[in-house]
Amino acid sequence: GQQLNQSPQSMFIQEGEDVSMNCTSSSIFNTWLWYKQDPGEGPVLLIALYKAGELTSNGRLTAQFGITRKDSFLNISASIPSDVGIYFCAGHLETSGSRLTFGEGTQLTVNP
Amino acid sequence: SAVISQKPSRDICQRGTSLTIQCQVDSQVTMMFWYRQQPGQSLTLIATANQGSEATYESGFVIDKFPISRPNLTFSTLTVSNMSPEDSSIYLCSVEPDHSYNEQFFGPGTRLTVL
Repeated sequence: GQQLNQSPQSMFIQEGEDVSMNCTSSSIFNTWLWYKQDPGEGPVLLIALYKAGELTSNGRLTAQFGITRKDSFLNISASIPSDVGIYFCAGHLETSGSRLTFGEGTQLTVNP
Repeated sequence: SAVISQKPSRDICQRGTSLTIQCQVDSQVTMMFWYRQQPGQSLTLIATANQGSEATYESGFVIDKFPISRPNLTFSTLTVSNMSPEDSSIYLCSVEPDHSYNEQFFGPGTRLTVL
């Protein structure tokens, strides 16, 4: 069954606002990955996190690997219209090897 | 990263038929995966495509329904057999490059509609 809870399910924001989304689990993860998926495309990797407490940025995006290894968040600062899309968290469970578990996704809408 | 292509990009099929989806990578990779994304849903792992041996299927997916080939380290196929409308989904392949430390990169997907 689903082992990752991603929230919020959807967000409607104004251009220029900051955005935050997160994923939580009752299980321990070895890595956290954040993806963005545009309509008709495959997911694109945004940020990868490898150890507890790690904070990594990629332009306006910042993500953190939770200290308990059971959660992660993604922040987007100063949103722009091209940030529209579905954002997925994903991770490798401590017990699952290379198999990736995905969150349910956050649909982001940015109003210009 | 890796450059991944899939064929076809989309197809409309009749129930009871089968469709084979191809995935081509621009470099040799050990780990290759197939996912299904049902409409409005997240991604679900179907199987790990192993080169030179049978694929490893996840719970709920079986070889008879989703046979997979992996003849070499740059190519794999997924067949969706005896299709029904419930098989209408996006099918995605992904790879974990050998030196990427658990990063997976996805192809553009194949959008399948079964009538």
